[in-house]
Amino acid sequence: GDSVTQMEGPVTLSEEAFLTINCTYTATGYPSLFWYVQYPGEGLQLLLKATKADDKGSNKGFEATYRKETTSFHLEKGSVQVSDSAVYFCALALYNFNKFYFGSGTKLNVKP
Amino acid sequence: KAGVTQTPRYLIKTRGQQVTLSCSPISGHRSVSWYQQTPGQGLQFLFEYFSETQRNKGNFPGRFSGRQFSNSRSEMNVSTLELGDSALYLCASSSGLGDYEQYFGPGTRLTVT
Repeated sequence: GDSVTQMEGPVTLSEEAFLTINCTYTATGYPSLFWYVQYPGEGLQLLLKATKADDKGSNKGFEATYRKETTSFHLEKGSVQVSDSAVYFCALALYNFNKFYFGSGTKLNVKP
Repeated sequence: KAGVTQTPRYLIKTRGQQVTLSCSPISGHRSVSWYQQTPGQGLQFLFEYFSETQRNKGNFPGRFSGRQFSNSRSEMNVSTLELGDSALYLCASSSGLGDYEQYFGPGTRLTVT
């Protein structure tokens, strides 16, 4: 079935380190892909998106490229900040975006 | 523009009881989706309503139901509560017309004792 798999956390990094959170997917058809972020006590916020192969989504220094050949959508940031500490969710959408599948989430801790 | 609001934010119920959660979407949005978030299962899709009709449904038992009103506000009901229903319930709104950006509310934390 359709699903998203992302790397287990928590991921602990020092400030200004390079971040990669891996995400792979299984889907019928041609999904759109997303990264959401959840800060403590809040709902999810859309971080970035890509709707077709080779698209690169970017926002707030975060980037992810839709790789159809490897069915991946890895999240990267060149230099993380303490304020980036949160849980990150990879997701895919099918059927005109009315059905979303989320990964299990990866908690990121950034230490000063 | 006001965001998605959910009420109540916290709820404690006893096994066997039922509960109703409410979600008010962003003005103009016609689609409301509900998700259950637990540490063990992550985020799981419950159902989606669009223009008062359930358009998509996840794999949850019939104890979980929902509805949507003409003003797009949505309610979710869980009957005969079980301990395993303890979770954060999130709702998300979108225009529902082919775009894909879902806006999430802060969630309702349900604890079943």
